[in-house]
Amino acid sequence: DTAVSQTPKYLVTQMGNDKSIKCEQNLGHDTMYWYKQDSKKFLKIMFSYNNKELIINETVPNRFSPKSPDKAHLNLHINSLELGDSAVYFCASSPPGGYGYTFGSGTRLTVV
Amino acid sequence: ELKVEQNPLFLSMQEGKNYTIYCNYSTTSDRLYWYRQDPGKSLESLFVLLSNGAVKQEGRLMASLDTKARLSTLHITAAVHDLSATYFCAVGGSEKLVFGKGMKLTVNP
Repeated sequence: DTAVSQTPKYLVTQMGNDKSIKCEQNLGHDTMYWYKQDSKKFLKIMFSYNNKELIINETVPNRFSPKSPDKAHLNLHINSLELGDSAVYFCASSPPGGYGYTFGSGTRLTVV
Repeated sequence: ELKVEQNPLFLSMQEGKNYTIYCNYSTTSDRLYWYRQDPGKSLESLFVLLSNGAVKQEGRLMASLDTKARLSTLHITAAVHDLSATYFCAVGGSEKLVFGKGMKLTVNP
């Protein structure tokens, strides 16, 4: 079983559309995250949730809205997609204390 | 604001050679992580360093942490082609990780 699974793996969409990425972890971790990796491979935190509660929103545009229905799931909805949103989005999770993050396989979003 | 710097950002080396790469960070932090990323793939955890003087080794890679200098090193011994990848260091705790820009390593036969 995949520990942190994201769907879809690839997403190609037109500017202005709305899309969602889903993430699930079966590790029993309390904290989940979304990271964005840009075209230069730079990784930056977007959001972190602890037990369904938002704890970090790292100055991400309001068009991005995370939702955590339970502590095993963290979804990312993006409204009005822009060209600059093209990137790889990684979901991750960590146990209490953050000793060891596990990353999902990533979702490559291409906005055309 | 926590900043993490890696150097070099690109390294091309021959098989069999040794090299050390560096990761500096700007403020005191709980722990330091090293990750490997192959093209088009996810991040694979290599090491988690939790205390001053920590040293961990796995195969041809050895990582160390000096919290007083806010410096971690990743030493490569007798490089092989399979080590070619991008290596990231990251610093942080349970709320978030702050990543360096990554070092792209190419090991030539």
